[in-house]
Amino acid sequence: GAGVSQSPRYKVAKRGQDVALRCDPISGHVSLFWYQQALGQGPEFLTYFQNEAQLDKSGLPSDRFFAERPEGSVSTLKIQRTQQEDSAVYLCASSLPGTMSGNTIYFGEGSWLTVV
Amino acid sequence: QKEVEQNSGPLSVPEGAIASLNCTYSDRGSQSFFWYRQYSGKSPELIMFIYSNGDKEDGRFTAQLNKASQYVSLLIRDSQPSDSATYLCAADDGTGFQKLVFGTGTRLLVSP
Repeated sequence: GAGVSQSPRYKVAKRGQDVALRCDPISGHVSLFWYQQALGQGPEFLTYFQNEAQLDKSGLPSDRFFAERPEGSVSTLKIQRTQQEDSAVYLCASSLPGTMSGNTIYFGEGSWLTVV
Repeated sequence: QKEVEQNSGPLSVPEGAIASLNCTYSDRGSQSFFWYRQYSGKSPELIMFIYSNGDKEDGRFTAQLNKASQYVSLLIRDSQPSDSATYLCAADDGTGFQKLVFGTGTRLLVSP
């Protein structure tokens, strides 16, 4: 596709429910990132993949959060036993690898999660 | 903890004026700095990146970087109502993995 595609765009989950958020990066982009953006805040880093390897998961807030990218393309962020504080926009981004100055990170439109 | 600080605003400027947005960062290991524009309900959109001290100009936008002061700014000349959005400043975390640390954003309002 032309851009980073995320689904679902909107998700309402009952507290305790598991959710799965999907990201389809730009074709050929090796690097994939997940960020969490709470209302009125800037995006916060969750995790990073280079191809299928998860190189950094230091931003995942708890062991209820799990991300995978098994074939180095599509990625899924899974949240188990959702809590109200998980309500946020989950942004996926992708880029080519290389120096920060030479590559643009492209963001998807986000998945808006509301936990009730 | 690595931080990027921005004034949340709103910054209000009249149409045609220069809007000046500022941010500071805490990690001297950061090498690259980014300005993203985010319209309400939309994803961040890259406007400019800068990695050398000094100014970088692109159309109506100028990014300025001062590594000694750990200060980054964005100037928007001839501001238009369509520039009204939240502007996010971001810095890489110095690890080389393109991981960004974002500020909370400055809301810009350009009045006709």
